[in-house]
Amino acid sequence: GAVVSQHPSWVICKSGTSVKIECRSLDFQATTMFWYRQFPKQSLMLMATSNEGSKATYEQGVEKDKFLINHASLTLSTLTVTSAHPEDSSFYICSAREAGAANEKLFFGSGTQLSVL
Amino acid sequence: QKEVEQDPGPLSVPEGAIVSLNCTYSNSAFQYFMWYRQYSRKGPELLMYTYSSGNKEDGRFTAQVDKSSKYISLFIRDSQPSDSATYLCAMIHMDSNYQLIWGAGTKLIIKP
Repeated sequence: GAVVSQHPSWVICKSGTSVKIECRSLDFQATTMFWYRQFPKQSLMLMATSNEGSKATYEQGVEKDKFLINHASLTLSTLTVTSAHPEDSSFYICSAREAGAANEKLFFGSGTQLSVL
Repeated sequence: QKEVEQDPGPLSVPEGAIVSLNCTYSNSAFQYFMWYRQYSRKGPELLMYTYSSGNKEDGRFTAQVDKSSKYISLFIRDSQPSDSATYLCAMIHMDSNYQLIWGAGTKLIIKP
């Protein structure tokens, strides 16, 4: 099956620094990528939808200036957590939708655990 | 009321048992139904998806959809300790521009 590579798997940073998370589709072109956040014992929450070559669409309550999303190519989307604070500590997951496919064929990255000290 | 309801568990069963995981939903516009498995600190893995009422089988897994009752199930036969994970149901309706609506996930524990 299709592979989505998410990097890094773990990151620990100091409060006030920025962290970039990469999401790559390795063997298919992803016109749309989704970024999720998961708090412990809760389900995934959609943060934003990223379309290649255009601005991301953020869900209500998600700060676009805080969570910068770039989808510059059909195989790469990045999420940058700017000026991270301890409350940003969470598990972040990306998913990619193959070009021309409906959403029932989403492929997920392995996730990034962010800990902000 | 949430659009998708799923019992968070945990559900603990002995190895070899048949497992039944369930979700209910309130919006009859849902058309696609998926089951994902998530191991701790890993991304969700798509197990099965279907878009019609009835059963769909894949190895030890059977997905069942009953649109009249707004109820979906995932059955796992001959359960193994490696099946221990959180299982999430997810649904899509076209009115929401293909957004996935997720259940809370059920934590499953298979005891050796």
